[in-house]
Amino acid sequence: QVQLVQSGAEVKKPGASVKVSCQASGYTFTSYYMHWVRQAPGQGLEWIGIINPSRLGTTYAQKFQGRVTMTRDTSTNTVYMELSSLRSEDTAVYYCARDNSGRYLDYWGQGTLVSVSS
Amino acid sequence: EIVLTQSPGTLSLSPGERATLSCRASQGVSSSYVAWYQQKPGQAPRLLIYGASSRATGIPDRFSGSGSGTDFTLTISRLEPEDFAVYYCQQYGRSPLTFGGGTKVEIK
Repeated sequence: QVQLVQSGAEVKKPGASVKVSCQASGYTFTSYYMHWVRQAPGQGLEWIGIINPSRLGTTYAQKFQGRVTMTRDTSTNTVYMELSSLRSEDTAVYYCARDNSGRYLDYWGQGTLVSVSS
Repeated sequence: EIVLTQSPGTLSLSPGERATLSCRASQGVSSSYVAWYQQKPGQAPRLLIYGASSRATGIPDRFSGSGSGTDFTLTISRLEPEDFAVYYCQQYGRSPLTFGGGTKVEIK
């Protein structure tokens, strides 16, 4: 069965960077793009960007351009999302989610809480 | 970017009642690119509906989706206790992918 398992919670100081991982299993890793979505406490869902694990193509939401980098490791079926220059507003749960046919997100990771505080 | 506006913000209903949730897009979206998700506290979102009207695997038939153009609807025909949650619509007909602000369905 498809599973996306994310890394554990992180606590960071303002200005630091965080790198969250998402390990996929149960399907052919390079056949599906992967999205990253975040959710601030008590708020809605916000799209961060998407990565093509096969060709390493990425598309980022304009809001995160210059601060986010998505990468992958095909030997471990893992995608990564690194966010730099963290500020308190980046405190959120970060999710990876598998793209299906460029239309919807069919499987989600369990989420990774990133807390930014001085 | 396409802005999705969900209404109402909160829907207070009793088990067994019908729930109708609205999602309005700021510009037309192909129905193929509209999806709905359910999220319960402390959990990741779960895909309910894709292509505006197709139920995802394992989703009960009391959930249905409809709509086209700029107006889309999620209907829960008879609310079960486990259906009280927050629901989000999403579009990816045009980048960036966007979500609506959510509708909370709470027990009256």
